[in-house]
Amino acid sequence: SQELEQSPQSLIVQEGKNLTINCTSSKTLYGLYWYKQKYGEGLIFLMMLQKGGEEKSHEKITAKLDEKKQQSSLHITASQPSHAGIYLCGAPISNFGNEKLTFGTGTRLTIIP
Amino acid sequence: SAVISQKPSRDICQRGTSLTIQCQVDSQVTMMFWYRQQPGQSLTLIATANQGSEATYESGFVIDKFPISRPNLTFSTLTVSNMSPEDSSIYLCSCDRGNNYGYTFGSGTRLTVV
Repeated sequence: SQELEQSPQSLIVQEGKNLTINCTSSKTLYGLYWYKQKYGEGLIFLMMLQKGGEEKSHEKITAKLDEKKQQSSLHITASQPSHAGIYLCGAPISNFGNEKLTFGTGTRLTIIP
Repeated sequence: SAVISQKPSRDICQRGTSLTIQCQVDSQVTMMFWYRQQPGQSLTLIATANQGSEATYESGFVIDKFPISRPNLTFSTLTVSNMSPEDSSIYLCSCDRGNNYGYTFGSGTRLTVV
């Protein structure tokens, strides 16, 4: 079965600094989703990557999927307190759509002033 | 993108009782997914609900404990039955909105069993 490993597990960053979270798969990815979760709440969709080498940006967050489609990174530039939360990567088990997602272990991000 | 309304947002329940969680999607979707997130853990799929057929459960989850209904293409319920403190988790519903929108999640139900 597919496994997703995230690193680091937790991250404490000073406000204004840049940071990167990684998500590594044991198998080739059919797609990769990044979500943010505030404590005790639902998941907020950030970005979806489908093609090897793809890169997407939204505001200060950039996500990339490597050419081999086994690793993705999420980069936050000039971090703000609003970026704090748990970041989760998720991947479908096939490319047929309407399939369950396997999730990574999560990265807890804390922003300190 | 689709909006999923999930309720209740949280509840505190006595052990031995049952709780039904509802998810309403603002458009028709084929599959709905129910996940559990135990404290400090990532998400684990409970079951997949297809309209008009019985839900498909993942290993470790059974219908008697987590009965699911899917009466139409915009609605689903998950019941957590005969609850114990070990059932204290966040429960989330999700659906696939296709290539442009990906998987959307409800806001979650935070369940505490005492």
